[in-house]
Amino acid sequence: GENVEQHPSTLSVQEGDSAVIKCTYSDSASNYFPWYKQELGKGPQLIIDIRSNVGEKKDQRIAVTLNKTAKHFSLHITETQPEDSAVYFCAANNGGSQGNLIFGKGTKLSVKP
Amino acid sequence: GAGVSQSPRYKVAKRGQDVALRCDPISGHVSLFWYQQALGQGPEFLTYFQNEAQLDKSGLPSDRFFAERPEGSVSTLKIQRTQQEDSAVYLCASTLGAGNQPQHFGDGTRLSIL
Repeated sequence: GENVEQHPSTLSVQEGDSAVIKCTYSDSASNYFPWYKQELGKGPQLIIDIRSNVGEKKDQRIAVTLNKTAKHFSLHITETQPEDSAVYFCAANNGGSQGNLIFGKGTKLSVKP
Repeated sequence: GAGVSQSPRYKVAKRGQDVALRCDPISGHVSLFWYQQALGQGPEFLTYFQNEAQLDKSGLPSDRFFAERPEGSVSTLKIQRTQQEDSAVYLCASTLGAGNQPQHFGDGTRLSIL
C-alpha cells in the first residue's frame, strides 16, 4: 500500500521568511495530493491540493509542486506570518478511486515574530 | 452549521466500557471517512462510506470497532470493550461526491481510556 514520508518534523523560521516542507510517496498509482494545516485542538484544514496532471499550483502565499517521476511533492509558504504556525500534513490518496488518504507524520512549523 | 460536526468533543471511559462517537457530515455530502489520530502522528484511515454503504473497513484495527451510517447521513463509530491503546483523536471527514475530492474534517473526538 501507499506510504508517505514527510520532512522535516519541525521547522522554525523568522517572520517574513519562506518555509518548505517535503514529502515522498511510494505508490505510483496515487494521483491526488492534499496539504492540511492543523491547529491545536482542531481538525485538519485543507489549504491546497494538487492532482497528478499538474506540476505546480499556487494560491496567494502558498504553492505546491509535484514531481511524479521522483514521487515527491512540496509545500512552499512565502512571507510567513505568526498565524502560519501550526502542524502541516501532506497526504496522498491510496491509488484507488474511493479517496481515502495516507498522511505523513506532520511538520510542526513555528514562525517567530 | 456548515461544517462537519462531531460529538462528544471529549470522552473519558474506563477500560472495558463501550463508547459511541457521532459524526454529522456536511449536508448533502455523499462520502464519509473515519480516521484515527494518535498523539503526534498523522491521521490513519479506519473506514469509508458512500451514502449508507460501507465500502471499505480495512483500516479498522479489530472487530471491537464498528461503524454505521444507516440513512446515508449521520455516522456512528462504536468501540466495544475499550482498551488503553484505543486512546486517540477520532476524526470524521466528508466529501461532496465519490472519488478523490477535498475532504472536510470535523474537530474530532478525543477519547481517553483509563
